[in-house]
Amino acid sequence: DSGVTQTPKHLITATGQRVTLRCSPRSGDLSVYWYQQSLDQGLQFLIQYYNGEERAKGNILERFSAQQFPDLHSELNLSSLELGDSALYFCASSVNPGDSYEQYFGPGTRLTVT
Amino acid sequence: DAKTTQPNSMESNEEEPVHLPCNHSTISGTDYIHWYRQLPSQGPEYVIHGLTSNVNNRMASLAIAEDRKSSTLILHRATLRDAAVYYCILRSNYQLIWGAGTKLIIKP
Repeated sequence: DSGVTQTPKHLITATGQRVTLRCSPRSGDLSVYWYQQSLDQGLQFLIQYYNGEERAKGNILERFSAQQFPDLHSELNLSSLELGDSALYFCASSVNPGDSYEQYFGPGTRLTVT
Repeated sequence: DAKTTQPNSMESNEEEPVHLPCNHSTISGTDYIHWYRQLPSQGPEYVIHGLTSNVNNRMASLAIAEDRKSSTLILHRATLRDAAVYYCILRSNYQLIWGAGTKLIIKP
């Protein structure tokens, strides 16, 4: 158990809909990362937050947005969903956003768009 | 962006050492080399990381070439529980660039 929690575990929705994925980091970790993993592929970095502020942006679509709240939990919002958005979405946290710090991953949310 | 190249898959016998290679010929001086693994149906798990010197921890060792253009993750005594996809990743300027990983198969 990494200490990072993600809800829900599974989500099935229709094209065009909007969903929110939630992540609670490990106790004491200030930085949160979001990743997308499509079937049998590596992880694509989406976005990183540190103490409520956006720190780095990867290949995140304009239809996707995220935020980190004062209690440090984070939400990833996916809108106008397309079939291609079906994937595993992972959240990770680290104590510090720096490049020398390891990340701890949650169990993921599996999103299926039908 | 600096990228990594890894073999698609490797096989090893149980209780033998495993050497997983990674090429990163375009690495810059500030890029950290991180290794993570992903067991089936789980989130990735941190294994080890380094910048210039070789590193050891309870899970593995990381050997970094002198020119830093390649590195090797060493599992000293593989068990069936080490079967996973192993990712070699470069980190710099808060960017995280994941490769396709190496699927490690452990034969009993």
